[in-house]
Amino acid sequence: GQQVMQIPQYQHVQEGEDFTTYCNSSTTLSNIQWYKQRPGGHPVFLIQLVKSGEVKKQKRLTFQFGEAKKNSSLHITATQTTDVGTYFCAVPNAGNMLTFGGGTRLMVKP
Amino acid sequence: EAGVAQSPRYKIIEKRQSVAFWCNPISGHATLYWYQQILGQGPKLLIQFQNNGVVDDSQLPKDRFSAERLKGVDSTLKIQPAKLEDSAVYLCASSLSREQYFGPGTRLTVT
Repeated sequence: GQQVMQIPQYQHVQEGEDFTTYCNSSTTLSNIQWYKQRPGGHPVFLIQLVKSGEVKKQKRLTFQFGEAKKNSSLHITATQTTDVGTYFCAVPNAGNMLTFGGGTRLMVKP
Repeated sequence: EAGVAQSPRYKIIEKRQSVAFWCNPISGHATLYWYQQILGQGPKLLIQFQNNGVVDDSQLPKDRFSAERLKGVDSTLKIQPAKLEDSAVYLCASSLSREQYFGPGTRLTVT
């Protein structure tokens, strides 16, 4: 099945610093999704990227899909304590079945 | 709109016992998924239903896990007999198209 590597596993930042997580695949992806899971919560859909080189913004979050559609990144500008959680990328197999990356756990020091 | 409902929220059982989880998806969502999330890992898909038919169950350990979705709405996931390594959060999700909506999950502890 589809494999996807996500780095880093953990990231501690001071509030106000930026944060980036990366997702890499060995094969070309049709699309990629990003989810956020707060501590003790369940994954919540953030966005789907479909086009090569696509860049989408949601307030302080910037999502990018690589030109070769093999990698993606999520960048948060000026982190806040509300950004705490684990960010997962997820890539589809046949039938919209998702394979999730291992996630990047973000911790923000106030 | 109401979200995905799951019950129970927590369950503690001894190994070799059986357990069942229930999921009620968002109304109108034809696709339903069961995931297993072990602490510190991403969710792992166990089974996907389209209405009441199985789309993929290739990652479901069929010697001990079973799932059904009668009438294409609610679904149950059963483990019999449970092993220590089954300790995890079991997440149910439903979707209309691309976005999957997750329920709160059932945290299973096998002792």
